[in-house]
Amino acid sequence: GIQVEQSPPDLILQEGANSTLRCNFSDSVNNLQWFHQNPWGQLINLFYIPSGTKQNGRLSATTVATERYSLLYISSSQTTDSGVYFCAVELWGDDKIIFGKGTRLHILP
Amino acid sequence: DAGVIQSPRHEVTEMGQEVTLRCKPISGHDYLFWYRQTMMRGLELLIYFNNNVPIDDSGMPEDRFSAKMPNASFSTLKIQPSEPRDSAVYFCASSQGQVAETQYFGPGTRLLVL
Repeated sequence: GIQVEQSPPDLILQEGANSTLRCNFSDSVNNLQWFHQNPWGQLINLFYIPSGTKQNGRLSATTVATERYSLLYISSSQTTDSGVYFCAVELWGDDKIIFGKGTRLHILP
Repeated sequence: DAGVIQSPRHEVTEMGQEVTLRCKPISGHDYLFWYRQTMMRGLELLIYFNNNVPIDDSGMPEDRFSAKMPNASFSTLKIQPSEPRDSAVYFCASSQGQVAETQYFGPGTRLLVL
């Protein structure tokens, strides 16, 4: 089956730093989403980004479907950015949604 | 809108008991998803509905799990009989228009089976 690999698995940064999270997938996908799960467990959709680039405030995401990866950029990180970031893909021709294992981000004050 | 509502928020039960988790999607959303999250397996899609009809239940782990959506504003996930390995956080999410369109998650039900 399709492999969804996220890197790095863990990341510790000082407040104000920038970060790049990566999601690689092993097969063609129809759609891709990025989610943030905060330390209290709440899941929030960040981006629905099957291709191209989107920006929302300090966050932006780029998906290059032909090269099978997506990047999530966080600029000027804040402690509230801490949590786990998941990417999830929907396979072409199959409605299955597969999640990566996530990147755990910890922003130090 | 109040967002996706799940109940109960926490459930502790004994092995062998029946457990029913409930979800109210966002009004107007035509897709509803049930997910399970564990430390070992991460986030897994169990089943999803489109316009109240189950579309893909291949993620449902066993016959002990069943899900229904009797109308557009209510869904249940039932485990009977429950086992300790069913302990997890169960999330419900809803979206509009496409399977992987922006999904809105409920707060989750944290289930502990003793």
